[in-house]
Amino acid sequence: GQQLNQSPQSMFIQEGEDVSMNCTSSSIFNTWLWYKQEPGEGPVLLIALYKAGELTSNGRLTAQFGITRKDSFLNISASIPSDVGIYFCAGPLTQGGSEKLVFGKGTKLTVNP
Amino acid sequence: NAGVTQTPKFQVLKTGQSMTLQCAQDMNHEYMSWYRQDPGMGLRLIHYSVGAGITDQGEVPNGYNVSRSTTEDFPLRLLSAAPSQTSVYFCASSYQGLAGVDEQFFGPGTRLTVL
Repeated sequence: GQQLNQSPQSMFIQEGEDVSMNCTSSSIFNTWLWYKQEPGEGPVLLIALYKAGELTSNGRLTAQFGITRKDSFLNISASIPSDVGIYFCAGPLTQGGSEKLVFGKGTKLTVNP
Repeated sequence: NAGVTQTPKFQVLKTGQSMTLQCAQDMNHEYMSWYRQDPGMGLRLIHYSVGAGITDQGEVPNGYNVSRSTTEDFPLRLLSAAPSQTSVYFCASSYQGLAGVDEQFFGPGTRLTVL
């Protein structure tokens, strides 16, 4: 089954507000990835994190790799309407000797102008 | 570069029909994978391949077959479609074959309905 728990499932915010979402797992991850999926499109990578405690920014987006390596956080500052979409966390999981990318169920963000 | 391309964009099948979802990439990526996306379920891995001639099962492989005869192409076959396979299917690829190290590039998706 899926290994990553994302919360919240959905968010409805006003333009200009800040957004926080997180992803947790019972397994340790060595890499955390955050993707955004816009309606009708495939996911696109926003931020990649490779080291526990790492804090990385991409414009108004900031993501952190949790110290325990079992969680990660994504913040969006001063949201705008084009931030609408589903945000997924993902990480590589080694099972049966090979590495696969597993995804959380996503946080659906709606921004009201 | 076209990136990752998928055909068709939309497909309607009747229960029991077979079809192949096509996926191609022109980035010389070793790693390719297929996911299905259902409401509230995120992206679940169906099958993946770390290089030509090598495939392996993901989280939800039942009812699907894959092959990887070339680096560029990774088709997904439904041998006998079932309504439970109604979903949006995404193909993805990455360079080094290690999912966590490299960015996975996703195609635009195929929306499949099985009646």
